[in-house]
Amino acid sequence: QVQLVQSGAEVKKPGASVKVSCKASGYTFTSYGISWVRQAPGQGLEWMGWISAYNGNTNYAQKLQGRVTMTTDTSTSTAYMELRSLRSDDTAVYYCARVGILDAFDIWGQGTMVTVSS
Amino acid sequence: QPVLTQPPSSSASPGESARLTCTLPSDINVGSYNIYWYQQKPGSPPRYLLYYYSDSDKGQGSGVPSRFSGSKDASANTGILLISGLQSEDEADYYCMIWPSNVVVFGGGTKLTVL
Repeated sequence: QVQLVQSGAEVKKPGASVKVSCKASGYTFTSYGISWVRQAPGQGLEWMGWISAYNGNTNYAQKLQGRVTMTTDTSTSTAYMELRSLRSDDTAVYYCARVGILDAFDIWGQGTMVTVSS
Repeated sequence: QPVLTQPPSSSASPGESARLTCTLPSDINVGSYNIYWYQQKPGSPPRYLLYYYSDSDKGQGSGVPSRFSGSKDASANTGILLISGLQSEDEADYYCMIWPSNVVVFGGGTKLTVL
């Protein structure tokens, strides 16, 4: 079945970096994009950016420009999101989502909890 | 960064209908965009429900019951999610989303309580 499986929870210190992976299966990886969305504890959804798995083109949320990098490895059907210079307010569950037909986020990963704490 | 306004909470009884709204800022015309809706239950990732552009251009997520439907109120510049025949399992947070100018924007979410 179509699914996205994310890497496990991370605990990082302020100033560090984190890289979250999102492995796709059950569909042709390069035919869709991947978006990353995060959700701080008790808060709503925040879009972080998008990457085309076809050609690697990216588009990042202005708020995160310069701190976030999204990449893909088509040989393993895996997308990655790296966030640098972590702060306490980056503590959140990070989700990857497939950008399907008509740009809907139709398949979601299970989420990765990233905790930033000294 | 545009802001989509959703009421923080809503409630209705089983069997009734719930009408959840998503109001766009005045400089973004609801008629020009797909409105996407997602459902999220505690401890789970969001689930794609549907998108609505017009009565002739809309789509349902895989496995989503037809009692979930979308519409727009152009006069209020608002997207609407209608849930008919409410069930206890519909109790969840609901988020709207648009893609203006290659930027994705989510609403703040509405917590729906089924009394």
